[in-house]
Amino acid sequence: GNSVTQMEGPVTLSEEAFLTINCTYTATGYPSLFWYVQYPGEGLQLLLKATKADDKGSNKGFEATYRKETTSFHLEKGSVQVSDSAVYFCALYSSASKIIFGSGTRLSIRP
Amino acid sequence: NAGVTQTPKFQVLKTGQSMTLQCAQDMNHNSMYWYRQDPGMGLRLIYYSASEGTTDKGEVPNGYNVSRLNKREFSLRLESAAPSQTSVYFCASSEAVGWSIGGTDTQYFGPGTRLTVL
Repeated sequence: GNSVTQMEGPVTLSEEAFLTINCTYTATGYPSLFWYVQYPGEGLQLLLKATKADDKGSNKGFEATYRKETTSFHLEKGSVQVSDSAVYFCALYSSASKIIFGSGTRLSIRP
Repeated sequence: NAGVTQTPKFQVLKTGQSMTLQCAQDMNHNSMYWYRQDPGMGLRLIYYSASEGTTDKGEVPNGYNVSRLNKREFSLRLESAAPSQTSVYFCASSEAVGWSIGGTDTQYFGPGTRLTVL
């Protein structure tokens, strides 16, 4: 069946550091891919998405590229801020499995 | 604009008790969803409603029932709570009717209900 695997956290970085959170997936067909973010005490919010191979999703300085050849959708940001501290979820959608979320990666940014 | 609201925010139940989690959205969305979030795991879909009057099972429906009361409201009921149902429950909504073929429909989440079953 379809699945999503994220790097385990927590990830702790200093402010202005470069961020990568790895996400790989297993799916038949051509799923859509998403990154959601959950700030403390809140529900999830869509951060970015990509619906076909080689698409790049971007928002708030975050980027992720849909790589079909490596079945990956890694999240990157060039310079993180304390306000980026949150839990990040990679997810995929396919008509067969509906939406599947990864287990989440907690990110903490030190001032 | 309140978006997606959930009540209650916290609840403690004893094993065997029943309760209903309420969810409402004011965005005129067609689809609504219930998820549970457990430590170390992603969200898992319990039930969803692709449109008013329809409901379908998700990945983990056992022990739950749902009602799509109208277009705005989608409730989740635990008839006989068990400790395994201790979790954080999220309601979400999206504009599309059903699962869009492209799967690009953005879901909007409520703040969650933290449920503990003793």
